[in-house]
Amino acid sequence: GQQVMQIPQYQHVQEGEDFTTYCNSSTTLSNIQWYKQRPGGHPVFLIQLVKSGEVKKQKRLTFQFGEAKKNSSLHITATQTTDVGTYFCAGHRGGADGLTFGKGTHLIIQP
Amino acid sequence: DGGITQSPKYLFRKEGQNVTLSCEQNLNHDAMYWYRQDPGQGLRLIYYSQIVNDFQKGDIAEGYSVSREKKESFPLTVTSAQKNPTAFYLCASSSQPTSGRAKENEQFFGPGTRLTVL
Repeated sequence: GQQVMQIPQYQHVQEGEDFTTYCNSSTTLSNIQWYKQRPGGHPVFLIQLVKSGEVKKQKRLTFQFGEAKKNSSLHITATQTTDVGTYFCAGHRGGADGLTFGKGTHLIIQP
Repeated sequence: DGGITQSPKYLFRKEGQNVTLSCEQNLNHDAMYWYRQDPGQGLRLIYYSQIVNDFQKGDIAEGYSVSREKKESFPLTVTSAQKNPTAFYLCASSSQPTSGRAKENEQFFGPGTRLTVL
């Protein structure tokens, strides 16, 4: 079945440093979504990428979708303590099927 | 308020007992999903349903059962056949996706139920 690999599993950064998490799928995706889960909380939708090579920005967050629609990245510029949490990518195979989630990257920020 | 609710937040059961987790949504979404989250494993799909009275197995359906008798409700039963039932269970819903409309596929998650089997 489809697999979505996400690295790194953990990332420690100093506040103000940048952060990047990478996602790779074993199969071509219809689209990819990114979610953030705060400690003790539930995943919250951040963004969806649909087009090959697409780049989207949300303030300090930049999301990219690869040309082959098999990989994606999330980059956070100048991290803040509010960025703490686990960031998941989730590959969508199309239709109303469930998402295939990566294992997530835990972002830990040291003040 | 529109949203998706799960109850209870914490649940304890003895080994060998079946237990049913509740999931309700008032978002008028057609699709509903159950995921299991274990430490270091991300979210894994258990079952999903696209319409009332229809559901499909996800990646780890063994030991679980679901029903979808109403659009707003998608309960999950963890049976005694599930070998490692202790986990965090998340329910989600989404509107029926339409190609090219980016927001259609967004999944809304409930707060989750943390099940501990003793």
